[in-house]
Amino acid sequence: DTGVSQNPRHKITKRGQNVTFRCDPISEHNRLYWYRQTLGQGPEFLTYFQNEAQLEKSRLLSDRFSAERPKGSFSTLEIQRTEQGDSAMYLCASSSSGVPGNTIYFGEGSWLTVV
Amino acid sequence: TQLLEQSPQFLSIQEGENLTVYCNSSSVFSSLQWYRQEPGEGPVLLVTVVTGGEVKKLKRLTFQFGDARKDSSLHITAAQPGDTGLYLCAGALSTSYDKVIFGPGTSLSVIP
Repeated sequence: DTGVSQNPRHKITKRGQNVTFRCDPISEHNRLYWYRQTLGQGPEFLTYFQNEAQLEKSRLLSDRFSAERPKGSFSTLEIQRTEQGDSAMYLCASSSSGVPGNTIYFGEGSWLTVV
Repeated sequence: TQLLEQSPQFLSIQEGENLTVYCNSSSVFSSLQWYRQEPGEGPVLLVTVVTGGEVKKLKRLTFQFGDARKDSSLHITAAQPGDTGLYLCAGALSTSYDKVIFGPGTSLSVIP
């Protein structure tokens, strides 16, 4: 059983460019989460899917951010017109709604540096 | 506002000492998890607690979920340098499709 997989692990981009991150959850998990984390802080909730439905999107998230999970399996997070403040680690996690406790399991994260 | 608070924010102790980290909220959680994270890596699950008042032990780590399911504590006995890391608590909100939110973390440094 493979864990949550994220790619790319590292991305350096120029300000104003678009970037896309991909997340492949644990295969039997129907829930998928995206978080953003800066150095020394806890993960900040961005958005959340159950199957292909996006259940919630953080109000802190600007319109430049969009996430999709078209077939209820992998997900993509796109950031348009990147800004230096977008530099962070983007974490994906997955869980199963059928398991009590809704424990989420993380991937290794995707580091974004906007220069 | 759905917030999880953790204390202390930073902790530096000598090897062999005991410590407790606290996680508090005004919200009720259907479950609460503790994670440990090392620099540049994703958080790694330590434990999930589901029942109010529940106590779980993992070797030298003891986790407790508050009776009202609003708070939790993590106690480490005889800390070792390998325990160094960022400890995160996370709660699943039953009022929000089990959305999982995180506290700001406690950065622990165990000095040999």
